[in-house]
Amino acid sequence: GQQVMQIPQYQHVQEGEDFTTYCNSSTTLSNIQWYKQRPGGHPVFLIQLVKSGEVKKQKRLTFQFGEAKKNSSLHITATQTTDVGTYFCRPNFGNEKLTFGTGTRLTIIP
Amino acid sequence: EAQVTQNPRYLITVTGKKLTVTCSQNMNHEYMSWYRQDPGLGLRQIYYSMNVEVTDKGDVPEGYKVSRKEKRNFPLILESPSPNQTSLYFCASRAGFSGANVLTFGAGSRLTVL
Repeated sequence: GQQVMQIPQYQHVQEGEDFTTYCNSSTTLSNIQWYKQRPGGHPVFLIQLVKSGEVKKQKRLTFQFGEAKKNSSLHITATQTTDVGTYFCRPNFGNEKLTFGTGTRLTIIP
Repeated sequence: EAQVTQNPRYLITVTGKKLTVTCSQNMNHEYMSWYRQDPGLGLRQIYYSMNVEVTDKGDVPEGYKVSRKEKRNFPLILESPSPNQTSLYFCASRAGFSGANVLTFGAGSRLTVL
């Protein structure tokens, strides 16, 4: 079936270190979205990637969509305490079942 | 303010006592959905609705019911709650019929079933 694997499940980093989370799909995606959930909060949309090989940046966050449109990554440069939370990818398989990755929980060690 | 409103935010109940979690959105969105969030399992879709009177099962529909009688409301019904339904529940909505559209989430409802 249509599945996506998101890794790692947890990541603990020192403040100032970089962080990356990956989403890997077994099938080609129409597009992929990324969401962030702060502790105690709800998921909030960050960005959408549509084109093969697309790279988008939001300040210290860099989002990539693979050439085959089967995988994606979110990279944070020089993490800050405000980056704490769980990051989810939401792959679009072209149907209305809007599934999410299992999430990567980022904690920052000051 | 555009938003998705869920109630109650917190609920402790006992096994077998029927309960309803309400969800309402003020954005005139066609699509609405319920998710449950459990540690290590991410967000799993329970049910979704593409429009009024149209509902479909997500990945974990067992033990839940939904209805979509009005565009703005999408209640989640637990007819006979069990402890394995203890979870954090999110309602979400988006405009239109394209999977590319952005989901807006409610604040969440934390349910404990004893």
